[in-house]
Amino acid sequence: QKEVEQDPGPLSVPEGAIVSLNCTYSNSAFQYFMWYRQYSRKGPELLMYTYSSGNKEDGRFTAQVDKSSKYISLFIRDSQPSDSATYLCAMSEPHGDSSASKIIFGSGTRLSIRP
Amino acid sequence: GAVVSQHPSWVICKSGTSVKIECRSLDFQATTMFWYRQFPKQSLMLMATSNEGSKATYEQGVEKDKFLINHASLTLSTLTVTSAHPEDSSFYICSARDRRLGADTQYFGPGTRLTVL
Repeated sequence: QKEVEQDPGPLSVPEGAIVSLNCTYSNSAFQYFMWYRQYSRKGPELLMYTYSSGNKEDGRFTAQVDKSSKYISLFIRDSQPSDSATYLCAMSEPHGDSSASKIIFGSGTRLSIRP
Repeated sequence: GAVVSQHPSWVICKSGTSVKIECRSLDFQATTMFWYRQFPKQSLMLMATSNEGSKATYEQGVEKDKFLINHASLTLSTLTVTSAHPEDSSFYICSARDRRLGADTQYFGPGTRLTVL
């Protein structure tokens, strides 16, 4: 079983819809959770960063972490064609100053917003 | 957010030559940088972890003599693809780990597209 599972999609929704992207994980020690957006032929861009459980909102984006269920979500409201991209979740354990821990990425979900 | 640059953004080279790709963290010091490669419509594949002042840690199946990594300063890591062949053609992306203020995130460079003829 992979440490982080993410549905690869593709996911296609009409413009204006609410999009829900999700990841599940198996390591209960994960404390830092991130969402990245990657456009074709570009490096991933950090969208949202959360620590531990709860919700975080930034404009049309809301990140949600449910540690009891080991489940994280990214919601996109009023989706736009420019939101069409691959979205990757990522997470890591706290290790103080140690560089030993890695940030583990999901495989990415391809999202397409239809005009 | 933090800024990570990569140079060059694209490169075309002949088979058998070596290519160096630079990754710089522009506004923070990164003790750890990572190198990934990505094939079209596939996910990121971690190649190696680069720690400042020490040898890189390579993932299983990645040839360390083929992909030379140097992390000589807190803001610069380089990846050299030695004796490149057409199968090395790919999108190479670096990232820098930002652990300031108790956070733990990675910021990615824009990527380098390598084409080996």
